[in-house]
Amino acid sequence: QVQLQESGPGLVKPSQTLSLTCTVSGDSIRSAGDYWSWIRQPAGKGLEWIGRTYIAGITDYNPSLKSRASISIDMSKNHFSLTLTSVTAADTAIYYCARIDSTGWSYYFDLWGQGILVTVSS
Amino acid sequence: NFMLTQPHSVSESPGKTVTISCTGNSGSIARNYVQWYQQRPGSAPTAVIYENDRRPSGVPDRFSGSIDSSSNSASLTISGLKTEDAADYYCQSFGDNDDDVVFGGGTKLSVL
Repeated sequence: QVQLQESGPGLVKPSQTLSLTCTVSGDSIRSAGDYWSWIRQPAGKGLEWIGRTYIAGITDYNPSLKSRASISIDMSKNHFSLTLTSVTAADTAIYYCARIDSTGWSYYFDLWGQGILVTVSS
Repeated sequence: NFMLTQPHSVSESPGKTVTISCTGNSGSIARNYVQWYQQRPGSAPTAVIYENDRRPSGVPDRFSGSIDSSSNSASLTISGLKTEDAADYYCQSFGDNDDDVVFGGGTKLSVL
């Protein structure tokens, strides 16, 4: 079955750029879904949507992160990625990648990666 | 900005029924569909309800969802509570422009 796995550095220095990759296994990313997303969760806190990408490359972002976040998709590598610039301690969180099921009237996150903890600290 | 408010915590005994609310701060909660996610400690969230009242494959029918326009709220009801239902539950819908995803703050369910 389709699985998602986040990867990337667990420690990023303040003011630098956070870069994460979500690898899709079990099927091609083109066949496995149309929309893919990133969501984060600071320790002990709630979920925050970062943004989503369509396989055609169209993206949408949380307005609060739009100026710093970028999501891209690489069909040849079967993965999609997140970059977040100018990070601060407030960006310390578990970052999840997720697939969006858009087959119904709306859409929801039907498959999640296990999450990766990213700490912003010098 | 559209926001969803949930109670911080609820508790109930095994075998009983519990309802978790999710209230919209403006507009109509019925304008967009509401989803619910369960997150057990140390694990990623999983969907238990989508499009207000539909269950993903594999989710038992003890889980049900509803919308109450009069109170501008969505509800997740879990009947026949089991200790394994103890988790954080998040509601999710969409913001003012219908594209931005909005999560509620989460409700910690204790079953004891």
